[in-house]
Amino acid sequence: GNSVTQMEGPVTLSEEAFLTINCTYTATGYPSLFWYVQYPGEGLQLLLKATKADDKGSNKGFEATYRKETTSFHLEKGSVQVSDSAVYFCALGRSQGAQKLVFGQGTRLTINP
Amino acid sequence: GAGVSQSPRYKVAKRGQDVALRCDPISGHVSLFWYQQALGQGPEFLTYFQNEAQLDKSGLPSDRFFAERPEGSVSTLKIQRTQQEDSAVYLCATTGGFLNQPQHFGDGTRLSIL
Repeated sequence: GNSVTQMEGPVTLSEEAFLTINCTYTATGYPSLFWYVQYPGEGLQLLLKATKADDKGSNKGFEATYRKETTSFHLEKGSVQVSDSAVYFCALGRSQGAQKLVFGQGTRLTINP
Repeated sequence: GAGVSQSPRYKVAKRGQDVALRCDPISGHVSLFWYQQALGQGPEFLTYFQNEAQLDKSGLPSDRFFAERPEGSVSTLKIQRTQQEDSAVYLCATTGGFLNQPQHFGDGTRLSIL
């Protein structure tokens, strides 16, 4: 079945550091890939998405590229801020029909000033 | 309202009690999903509605779990004879129903079974 494996956390960085959170997936067909973020005390929010191989999703300085050859969708940001502290979830959805999402276990990110 | 609204935000129940969790979708959103999120884990799919039709309930963990959406808008997730392992955050998400549309999540209901 479909599955997502995320880099285990927690991850702690200093402000302005470079961020990578690894995500790999197993899926049949060609899924869509997503990164969701959960800020403290808030619900899940879509951060970015990519719907086909080699697509790059980007938002708020974050980027992720859909790599079919390595079945990966790693999240990157060049210079993190304290306000980026949150839990990040990688997820995949089926390419056809209802897009029930399969999530990774989440990575807690803390940015220190 | 502007977003997906879930109620109650917190629910504490004794083992063996029945509980009902409510989800108010974004107006016009035809697709509605329920997920269960255990502590420290990612959400896991429970069930899916397209309007009032429950098209997929493959994620419901047992027959104690029941979901409905009788008029294609508000949905209720009911758990009968609750067990301690039912303690989790229950998330509702909705979309307009078109392929690749993102799911909009509510803030969830945190259920604690004593």
